[in-house]
Amino acid sequence: GAGVSQSPSNKVTEKGKDVELRCDPISGHTALYWYRQSLGQGLEFLIYFQGNSAPDKSGLPSDRFSAERTGGSVSTLTIQRTQQEDSAVYLCASSWDSSRNEQFFGPGTRLTVL
Amino acid sequence: KQEVTQIPAALSVPEGENLVLNCSFTDSAIYNLQWFRQDPGKGLTSLLLIQSSQREQTSGRLNASLDKSSGRSTLYIAASQPGDSATYLCARSNSGYALNFGKGTSLLVTP
Repeated sequence: GAGVSQSPSNKVTEKGKDVELRCDPISGHTALYWYRQSLGQGLEFLIYFQGNSAPDKSGLPSDRFSAERTGGSVSTLTIQRTQQEDSAVYLCASSWDSSRNEQFFGPGTRLTVL
Repeated sequence: KQEVTQIPAALSVPEGENLVLNCSFTDSAIYNLQWFRQDPGKGLTSLLLIQSSQREQTSGRLNASLDKSSGRSTLYIAASQPGDSATYLCARSNSGYALNFGKGTSLLVTP
């Protein structure tokens, strides 16, 4: 079956602009996660959605970052007023639920802020 | 913050060798541990998931073990092949969802 998909695969933007990154999880997966991978920092957790519960936003680095998940499926990560330090690969993952928690990752979106 | 450490950071071996990648973590209150591989410019591919109640998992030439008491996991790759060249990441979760990653071991298998 289809895996996790993300779009766009690459995004170049100017400092100060807003960007939206999209994630389509594996069909039937109720849990969805966003991570960020940047040079020197490794992979860090950003936000987690489980079904209709309130998301865990504890990993978001600033209030410029937000995410939503519509209809329990597709998710959008929005970064407002982008800064150069936001440049990274943004990875989305999904799992059947948090108890099983084998996470399957998408190919990522490479964001470059000029 | 829970730490996950992977040693070595990089490893080069000739084809056919068996090899072991190490992962250590603080805090034995682990929920599960997952091993991934990442090819350059690509996302993560899940290799093995070990639940906290398990001691090891096997898939083909791969075997992963988990020792919670010592805070260690190992990934054993048998009869390595050039196609195994990639970065290998281990990640633990202690809360059932967010994964905490190590920085990875970059593996090169030479023909």
